[in-house]
Amino acid sequence: GAVVSQHPSRVICKSGTSVKIECRSLDFQATTMFWYRQFPKQSLMLMATSNEGSKATYEQGVEKDKFLINHASLTLSTLTVTSAHPEDSSFYICSASSSRVKNYGYTFGSGTRLTVV
Amino acid sequence: AQKITQTQPGMFVQEKEAVTLDCTYDTSDPSYGLFWYKQPSSGEMIFLIYQGSYDQQNATEGRYSLNFQKARKSANLVISASQLGDSAMYFCAMREGPPGAAGNKLTFGGGTRVLVKP
Repeated sequence: GAVVSQHPSRVICKSGTSVKIECRSLDFQATTMFWYRQFPKQSLMLMATSNEGSKATYEQGVEKDKFLINHASLTLSTLTVTSAHPEDSSFYICSASSSRVKNYGYTFGSGTRLTVV
Repeated sequence: AQKITQTQPGMFVQEKEAVTLDCTYDTSDPSYGLFWYKQPSSGEMIFLIYQGSYDQQNATEGRYSLNFQKARKSANLVISASQLGDSAMYFCAMREGPPGAAGNKLTFGGGTRVLVKP
């Protein structure tokens, strides 16, 4: 099956610092990676769609200068939360669609729990 | 308008009984896919079942079955013989467009928290 490895699983950072989250597709090439944010007891909200070799497409209301997405290769996409503040504390999870998954299903990373103090 | 609606924020179910989780969707695209995921407290997203818009039969995967009513735009998940390990959040999600099309994103419903009682 298709596997997406996401790191770190948990991170605590000080307010004002930046945090980078990585998602790697281990056994397939992820042309597109989707980045979601999930606040406690809420659903997954799409933040942006990351396309290999081009600029990410951000959803309405998501600050592209705050949430920097880089997808430099077919196996690695990164999300950098710049100048993090406590309100950025959330669960961030990436996902990619793959032909290796039945019905071109989606495989998810294990998520990153970000706490900004 | 909400594309995916899950009207049940939380449910209790007795162990060994069946439970139905509601999901309605809204799309004008003739080709779409509907997914159900389970999210335990660890946060991982576990795929349960898939229904394509052109699939003639309701999908089944072990104890999971999907009651697909296309005209009503509903895709309810049925979990049979509930187990304690089924306690989790359950999300319905939709992909608009055909499988494999570039950039097709998943849109999620609000989720339903299921608690299985012994």
